[in-house]
Amino acid sequence: QKEVEQNSGPLSVPEGAIASLNCTYSDRGSQSFFWYRQYSGKSPELIMSIYSNGDKEDGRFTAQLNKASQYVSLLIRDSQPSDSATYLCAVNPGGGNKLTFGTGTQLKVEL
Amino acid sequence: NAGVTQTPKFQVLKTGQSMTLQCAQDMNHNSMYWYRQDPGMGLRLIYYSASEGTTDKGEVPNGYNVSRLNKREFSLRLESAAPSQTSVYFCASTGTSNTEAFFGQGTRLTVV
Repeated sequence: QKEVEQNSGPLSVPEGAIASLNCTYSDRGSQSFFWYRQYSGKSPELIMSIYSNGDKEDGRFTAQLNKASQYVSLLIRDSQPSDSATYLCAVNPGGGNKLTFGTGTQLKVEL
Repeated sequence: NAGVTQTPKFQVLKTGQSMTLQCAQDMNHNSMYWYRQDPGMGLRLIYYSASEGTTDKGEVPNGYNVSRLNKREFSLRLESAAPSQTSVYFCASTGTSNTEAFFGQGTRLTVV
């Protein structure tokens, strides 16, 4: 079992819809969770970080964490074509420094 | 403020050649990482350094060596390049385990 798992997609949503991206992780001791966005040919950039159970909102983005289910998600409201990218989930297993990424989910927002 | 700087941006090697990828950060970060990214595989951790003077293997360390030269610099060496090492390589750094990772611009390496 991989440490961090994501559906590779592509996930296609119409403009203005809510995009829901999901991630599961294997290490119950994980304490830090991150969502990165990566445009084609570019470096990953941080969108959200979350450390405790529940929801965290930042503009159109909401991160959700459920440690009991070992599940973290990212919701993008009012999706825009500029949101089309690959979204990477990252976890620090055991709360250490071994930042580990999932394979990423490709999101396509269609006009 | 340059952040994380990687060199070179592009490189073509012949099978068996060696090379070193350089990475430097100017944010006084403790931890540094080397990842490779292949289509459909996400970012896979090659090696990381939690602090100056320490290095640890990640998910795919075979064929690579690293050096944490000082707090700023973390280099990745390919001693005998193989076509399977054709990939995009990213260096990253973090201040602590709970903070954002900053990435370099990537090195696109082709081994022929």
